[in-house]
Amino acid sequence: GIQVEQSPPDLILQEGANSTLRCNFSDSVNNLQWFHQNPWGQLINLFYIPSGTKQNGRLSATTVATERYSLLYISSSQTTDSGVYFCAVIITNAGKSTFGDGTTLTVKP
Amino acid sequence: GAVVSQHPSWVICKSGTSVKIECRSLDFQATTMFWYRQFPKQSLMLMATSNEGSKATYEQGVEKDKFLINHASLTLSTLTVTSAHPEDSSFYICSARGTGPKPEAFFGQGTRLTVV
Repeated sequence: GIQVEQSPPDLILQEGANSTLRCNFSDSVNNLQWFHQNPWGQLINLFYIPSGTKQNGRLSATTVATERYSLLYISSSQTTDSGVYFCAVIITNAGKSTFGDGTTLTVKP
Repeated sequence: GAVVSQHPSWVICKSGTSVKIECRSLDFQATTMFWYRQFPKQSLMLMATSNEGSKATYEQGVEKDKFLINHASLTLSTLTVTSAHPEDSSFYICSARGTGPKPEAFFGQGTRLTVV
């Protein structure tokens, strides 16, 4: 099956710093999403981005489908950005989501 | 965007009892729903694919007799953990995909199951 690798596994930042999270995948994908899992476990959908670039406030994401990777940018990080960030890919139109192992972000005040 | 509602958010049950978790698509129809399980500090792993009107498809290593899935309507799928044991304690999340050429996946809030 498809392999999804996220890096780095852990990231510690000082508040106000910028960061880039990466997601590599081993095959062509139909869809890619970035999630932030909050302390209660809920997956917060950040971006639905099978290709191209999107921005939402301090967050932006870019997927280069032909090169099989996606990047999540967090600018001017805040302590509330702490948590686990997952990327998930879907191969076929009706298919399951395959998750990476996540990046655990800790933003210190 | 579309909403997937999962209930209950958390449940504590005694070992040997069964627990039912519901997953509803509130504003769209979902012929297919997915059930995931997440252990502490790990990623989400697919357990099974729930198909409306037919049997669920289970991933390798998932016991179909222990994790009963019913998808009786286009908006509701249920996961029943039968004869639960402490090792079944986990976070269970369902998802459903929207419509369109590259449909987005929407996830429920998750259910934290603790078996004592």
